[in-house]
Amino acid sequence: GNSVTQMEGPVTLSEEAFLTINCTYTATGYPSLFWYVQYPGEGLQLLLKATKADDKGSNKGFEATYRKETTSFHLEKGSVQVSDSAVYFCALSDQNYGQNFVFGPGTRLSVLP
Amino acid sequence: EADIYQTPRYLVIGTGKKITLECSQTMGHDKMYWYQQDPGMELHLIHYSYGVNSTEKGDLSSESTVSRIRTEHFPLTLESARPSHTSQYLCASRDTSYEQYFGPGTRLTVT
Repeated sequence: GNSVTQMEGPVTLSEEAFLTINCTYTATGYPSLFWYVQYPGEGLQLLLKATKADDKGSNKGFEATYRKETTSFHLEKGSVQVSDSAVYFCALSDQNYGQNFVFGPGTRLSVLP
Repeated sequence: EADIYQTPRYLVIGTGKKITLECSQTMGHDKMYWYQQDPGMELHLIHYSYGVNSTEKGDLSSESTVSRIRTEHFPLTLESARPSHTSQYLCASRDTSYEQYFGPGTRLTVT
């Protein structure tokens, strides 16, 4: 079946450090890939998405590239801020899987001033 | 900006009580979802609906039930709350581009 694996957290970085959160997936079809972010006390918000191989999603300085050959969708940001502290979820949606989402377990990021 | 609402945001209730968590969206989405989020953050799909009068159980077995008699409304009911039901419950809806929009969540505590 479909699945999403993320690097385990928590991840703690200093402000302005480079961020990478690894995400790999298993899917039977050609999924769309997503990164969602959850700030404390809130629901999930879409951060970025990519719908086909080699697409790059980007938003708020974050970016991720859909790599079909390595089945990966790693999240990166060149310079993190304290306000980026949150939980990040990688997810996929596969048309062959009833279009339901499959979420990774989440990675907690803490950015220290 | 997504328009999906959940009430109440926080609920503390005693064991054995019946509760209904409300979820509404004004975007006209056919597909709606309920997730349970445990303290370790992981999301578990417990119910989903593809439209009016359509409801299905998700990947995680749940003692809750749902109904969908209007497109915009997808309430979740627990007939008899137990401490094991203590969790955060997130409602979501989905558009045709596969993006899911989430509500702010209901944090339920059963004492």
